[in-house]
Amino acid sequence: GAGVSQSPSNKVTEKGKDVELRCDPISGHTALYWYRQSLGQGLEFLIYFQGNSAPDKSGLPSDRFSAERTGGSVSTLTIQRTQQEDSAVYLCASSPPGKNIQYFGAGTRLSVL
Amino acid sequence: KQEVTQIPAALSVPEGENLVLNCSFTDSAIYNLQWFRQDPGKGLTSLLLIQSSQREQTSGRLNASLDKSSGRSTLYIAASQPGDSATYLCAVRIFTGANSKLTFGKGITLSVRP
Repeated sequence: GAGVSQSPSNKVTEKGKDVELRCDPISGHTALYWYRQSLGQGLEFLIYFQGNSAPDKSGLPSDRFSAERTGGSVSTLTIQRTQQEDSAVYLCASSPPGKNIQYFGAGTRLSVL
Repeated sequence: KQEVTQIPAALSVPEGENLVLNCSFTDSAIYNLQWFRQDPGKGLTSLLLIQSSQREQTSGRLNASLDKSSGRSTLYIAASQPGDSATYLCAVRIFTGANSKLTFGKGITLSVRP
C-alpha cells in the first residue's frame, strides 16, 4: 500500500482480555517500530524490528506485551490480560533500508474498560 | 537518559502571525532531530529532519533550527493559517547500539484562529 496501515483503528475491550494489534509496513521497509501514546504523555518506544528479529525490546512495559513480525512484513503487537492503564494509541512506523526516517501509521486507539 | 521537553503544551494565535515552537533536549549526543505534525486521530507526518551536523532546514513556510551544543531546536512557522492547527512533536534520534531510537517530546498543540 501507499503508507503504513494499522488495524483495527479503534478497539474497545474489557479488562483481562487479550488483544492483537496489526501493522502493515510500507512494502520494502525493513525496519519496523511500535510506539505507545498515552493521554498527556509523549510517544513511548516499545519495540524495534529489523527484518523478523527484534534487537531492541527495551520499551515493552511488562511481560504481558509481546510482538512478532513474519515474512519481514506484517507485525502483530499482543497485549495479554489487558489493564486499564494499557488504554492508549498504539502507533507503528517503518523505515526503508539504510534510511533513518520513520513513516507512521494512523494508529490503533485501544480503550480498556 | 535523554529527555525532550516542549513548552508550552498549547498555543493559540491569530491567523497570519509568525510563531516559534521550542524544543529542548538533555543529551547533545544526537544523530538527528525531527519535527512531526499530528492531526487529531491521525498518525504522525514528518515535517523536517535536521542532521546533527546541520543548523537548519526549510520547507515552504516552515524553518527548523538546531543548536546541538545548547540542546535546543525551534520550529518557525511563517504567516500561520487555520490549517496549521495541529499538534507539533519534536523527536531526537540517538544510537543505542541495537537501534537508532526516537525520543519524543509531549508536543505543542497549536490553534490558529481565523
